[in-house]
Amino acid sequence: DTAVSQTPKYLVTQMGNDKSIKCEQNLGHDTMYWYKQDSKKFLKIMFSYNNKELIINETVPNRFSPKSPDKAHLNLHINSLELGDSAVYFCASSQDRQINTEAFFGQGTRLTVV
Amino acid sequence: SQQGEEDPQALSIQEGENATMNCSYKTSINNLQWYRQNSGRGLVHLILIRSNEREKHSGRLRVTLDTSKKSSSLLITASRAADTASYFCATDAIGSSNTGKLIFGQGTTLQVKP
Repeated sequence: DTAVSQTPKYLVTQMGNDKSIKCEQNLGHDTMYWYKQDSKKFLKIMFSYNNKELIINETVPNRFSPKSPDKAHLNLHINSLELGDSAVYFCASSQDRQINTEAFFGQGTRLTVV
Repeated sequence: SQQGEEDPQALSIQEGENATMNCSYKTSINNLQWYRQNSGRGLVHLILIRSNEREKHSGRLRVTLDTSKKSSSLLITASRAADTASYFCATDAIGSSNTGKLIFGQGTTLQVKP
């Protein structure tokens, strides 16, 4: 009964490849996010979706394309992977985007680009 | 720009002692949240304090908020080895309303020695 689940947990790939990370939440939340955590543990928001609608795109390169087929799923596709994309990517959800912004995080996907 | 700055960056204490972590932020906020991250895991929400609140308690946790100084503190009393983790503050900045966007501090790494 995991609240926010993302797969895979680890992803090792070569430069130039395309990869996807999947995320699902079973909390009935309206809002989902992608955050990136770098090697210094600094967390920064990448995208936010509310009921399948893109709300935030924090100047992320076009190589990153989120997709939300329904409000319970938010996937992240990355094209032409670069070494600098190596990081831990966290999916999260919150009940809404106004008052109840307590975020529930997935376990993270550690992406290593070699 | 990064909203939160946390102090100290690292803290090492003995079991049973209290641990205090501080967070400062730059802009006006709707609320401030504290999260815990165990090594290799996702973030777990600990407590949310709204901008019109000054203090909040949850079990062994005590959070204070001083909006005039744009700062917050997290106190963990009677620490346990299981409290060893990184602790992050996150703000929901005014101006980011209706997005759910959280801006995270750089985190404090707490080690509690048995």
